Amino acid sequence: GNSVTQMEGPVTLSEEAFLTINCTYTATGYPSLFWYVQYPGEGLQLLLKATKADDKGSNKGFEATYRKETTSFHLEKGSVQVSDSAVYFCALSDQPAGANNLFFGTGTRLTVIP
Amino acid sequence: SQTIHQWPATLVQPVGSPLSLECTVEGTSNPNLYWYRQAAGRGLQLLFYSVGIGQISSEVPQNLSASRPQDRQFILSSKKLLLSDSGFYLCAWSLGDSSYNEQFFGPGTRLTVL
Repeated sequence: GNSVTQMEGPVTLSEEAFLTINCTYTATGYPSLFWYVQYPGEGLQLLLKATKADDKGSNKGFEATYRKETTSFHLEKGSVQVSDSAVYFCALSDQPAGANNLFFGTGTRLTVIP
Repeated sequence: SQTIHQWPATLVQPVGSPLSLECTVEGTSNPNLYWYRQAAGRGLQLLFYSVGIGQISSEVPQNLSASRPQDRQFILSSKKLLLSDSGFYLCAWSLGDSSYNEQFFGPGTRLTVL
C-alpha cells in the first residue's frame, strides 16, 4: 500500500538556521511527491512537488529531491525565517480509478524564533 | 483563475445536532473533489472524494456523508454529530482529466462539537 512517514515534530530553530524535515514513502507504483505547508488557522498550500525520480522541486527557498533509491523526499531550506513557522506535510499521489488521492504524513510543526 | 470556498469558517454544534458544510469551486469544470479531516495534533484523513456529480467514494466508515449535487459543489453532512467529529475540515479539488496533479485546498472549517 501507499504511506508516508515524516519526521516527528515539533522543530524549533533560530532564524537563519538550516532546516531539514525528513520524509520517506512506501508506494506500489511510481508516485508523485509533494510538500504542503499550513500556516496557522489556514488551509494547506502546495509548497513544491516532484513527479519522477531525481526531480528537484523548489519554491520560496525550499527544496526537495525525489530519491527513488532511498524512497525519500526530504525538505530543506538553507536559512529559515520567522515567517516560515508553519506545519509542513509530505504527501504522495497515486492514481486509483478516477481520482488522484493524496496520502499525507502526520505533519511537522516548525517554529522559527528571532 | 480557480478559487475554492468553504463555509462556514467556524462552527460550534452540540452533540446530536445535524451538520452541513459546503464547498464550492470556481474557475474549473468537472474537478475531482475531496473532503479531509484534520484532528487536533494529527495529520489529514481523507473522508470522501468525488469524480463527478452524484459520484461519492467513502474512505472511512463513519457517521458522516457527502453529496455532490452540482459539478462544483461538495457538501459534507451528518444527521447526528459526535464529540469525535470535532476537527478542521478541508475541502480540496484537483483537475479531473490528469494524473498526479496537486490538490488545491480551501481555507477550512473548524468544527467544535460540545
